[in-house]
Amino acid sequence: DQQVKQNSPSLSVQEGRISILNCDYTNSMFDYFLWYKKYPAEGPTFLISISSIKDKNEDGRFTVFLNKSAKHLSLHIVPSQPGDSAVYFCAAGKPGAYKYIFGTGTRLKVLA
Amino acid sequence: DADVTQTPRNRITKTGKRIMLECSQTKGHDRMYWYRQDPGLGLRLIYYSFDVKDINKGEISDGYSVSRQAQAKFSLSLESAIPNQTALYFCATSDFTSGRAPDTQYFGPGTRLTVL
Repeated sequence: DQQVKQNSPSLSVQEGRISILNCDYTNSMFDYFLWYKKYPAEGPTFLISISSIKDKNEDGRFTVFLNKSAKHLSLHIVPSQPGDSAVYFCAAGKPGAYKYIFGTGTRLKVLA
Repeated sequence: DADVTQTPRNRITKTGKRIMLECSQTKGHDRMYWYRQDPGLGLRLIYYSFDVKDINKGEISDGYSVSRQAQAKFSLSLESAIPNQTALYFCATSDFTSGRAPDTQYFGPGTRLTVL
């Protein structure tokens, strides 16, 4: 039972345009969400997070939106750059659990 | 130098062999984790440890064991490797920062394991 889902395995976007990566979850107990970025031959690196008391968190070119009623979050990258080409994982955590459930990942390719 | 290191980076072994993957960290974090990544399945938690005396099973612990030798070292063992344990394995660490939110995890570079 996949509690955190990333339904798009891959996404291609032109440089300078917006990239939107989506993530859906099924467990309403999740209250903290993160995005990680992974380059080939490297481990995932933390990108941005959001707690359930917010519906938006912004860090430079990266913004995460949370829609609790829809159990959906999205990561927006504006403007997209070729260096953003990577696999992006969303992850969700419950209060006090101190561990995450990861999605299956979306491979983003930004075309120059 | 990397904060979280994993050895070996690549390993090919045969069915039935015992194998150990090692993880070391210099971040001073108490919490350490082992994940595996499979195509189409994302990252799944195998074991985690909140301190040297605390070991917990994750989602997919069958066929694996761990040892927390010190705060900085956390090893994953496959007692008798089988082909469906072929995967990319990641170690991660985190530090307790609050009583509410999960901690940010820092990942090692991964070990690619192939079981023939």
